[in-house]
Amino acid sequence: NAGVMQNPRHLVRRRGQEARLRCSPMKGHSHVYWYRQLPEEGLKFMVYLQKENIIDESGMPKERFSAEFPKEGPSILRIQQVVRGDSAAYFCASSPPTGGDTGELFFGEGSRLTVL
Amino acid sequence: GNSVTQMEGPVTLSEEAFLTINCTYTATGYPSLFWYVQYPGEGLQLLLKATKADDKGSNKGFEATYRKETTSFHLEKGSVQVSDSAVYFCAPFTGNQFYFGTGTSLTVIP
Repeated sequence: NAGVMQNPRHLVRRRGQEARLRCSPMKGHSHVYWYRQLPEEGLKFMVYLQKENIIDESGMPKERFSAEFPKEGPSILRIQQVVRGDSAAYFCASSPPTGGDTGELFFGEGSRLTVL
Repeated sequence: GNSVTQMEGPVTLSEEAFLTINCTYTATGYPSLFWYVQYPGEGLQLLLKATKADDKGSNKGFEATYRKETTSFHLEKGSVQVSDSAVYFCAPFTGNQFYFGTGTSLTVIP
């Protein structure tokens, strides 16, 4: 059973370009969370999604950032018109439908975005 | 609101030393409590958890006890190893969301 798969592992973009980060949850998991980890800082919650539904996006910046988790395919975190401050590691985590009971998250290895 | 305060690092210890990483939280309701560990270049992994008051989570020699009266979940290990060098995150889970601390970096030197 493959774990949470994130790609790309490393992404370099110039200011103003778009970044797309993909996350395939573990098999059988229908809940996806995105977190951002800035250098020397902790994990900051961004968004919580279930299939075709955004449950909580309270941690998402109001502009340039969006996320989706379609019925088929991976979850996508999209950052438009990237700026240097977007450089960070973006982690995806998934949990099974009963995640609210067990609370355990399974993390991917992260996508490291560098904005030049 | 919900939040977590973790002991600031970095922490440097000699091998076989005793480790304590403090964690206190504020949360609505009755959270489950978790410690996650992040080894260099990797994602987070669950280290241990406790789901109700006075429960003790344990794994790989690490322990933490759910103290509802002090809203704390301090991580301890009696004898650390070089392989324990990592960043440790305390995380209450409530309202379908985890609240991660800033992480405490631990370096164990031989």
